[in-house]
Amino acid sequence: EVQLLESGGGLVQPGGSLRLSCAASGFTFSSYAMSWVRQSPVKGLEWVSVISGSGDRTHYADSVKGRFTISRDNSKNTLYLQMNSLRAEDTAVYYCAKEPYESIGHYQDYWGQGTLVTVSS
Amino acid sequence: EIVMTQSPATLSVSPGERATLSCRASQSVSSNLAWYQQKPGQAPRLLIYGASAKAPGIPARFSGSGSGTEFTLSISSLQSEDFAVYYCQQYNNWPLTFGGGTKVEIK
Repeated sequence: EVQLLESGGGLVQPGGSLRLSCAASGFTFSSYAMSWVRQSPVKGLEWVSVISGSGDRTHYADSVKGRFTISRDNSKNTLYLQMNSLRAEDTAVYYCAKEPYESIGHYQDYWGQGTLVTVSS
Repeated sequence: EIVMTQSPATLSVSPGERATLSCRASQSVSSNLAWYQQKPGQAPRLLIYGASAKAPGIPARFSGSGSGTEFTLSISSLQSEDFAVYYCQQYNNWPLTFGGGTKVEIK
């Protein structure tokens, strides 16, 4: 059974940093691309970033490019999202999601339960 | 950026009736269109990919159709567990984009 468990969310001040983690199990982690998708009442569902199974290809939404970095440790079956220079508009539930192939640019077939990030002073 | 527009925003349906949800893309996305279901407090769940292929474990009453810019999700006979919010997503172009959702509520 595919399981994705996010952690690392919380309250952070504007301009601050946070690192999200997603522990994966139930599948061969290195064989699949992984995405981060966020959801807020204001913007709805918003795709944030994706990384290929091998970690050599990444892509970002313009709204986070240059501030967020996606990475993965295939030896630990863990996905990360380093978030710097956080803004109020980054406030959302952040979901970790698996993609169906090693390459990037597809839909998300399994989702974690999400972790809440709140950016506020 | 491709804008995905879903209609209606809310659909009131009686149990056992058919529901038809629409999704329109601002430019062609070929068949690179997925549908998700989300219930309160839960993560989205993949229903349909490739515009018409059902994800594993999805009941036969769910079906997807369309290509290019016009897509439809149909639920043939609504069950109590189907009342939820449904989102479409295109994955043909960067950035991947979602529609605003259609809430299917009990009439």
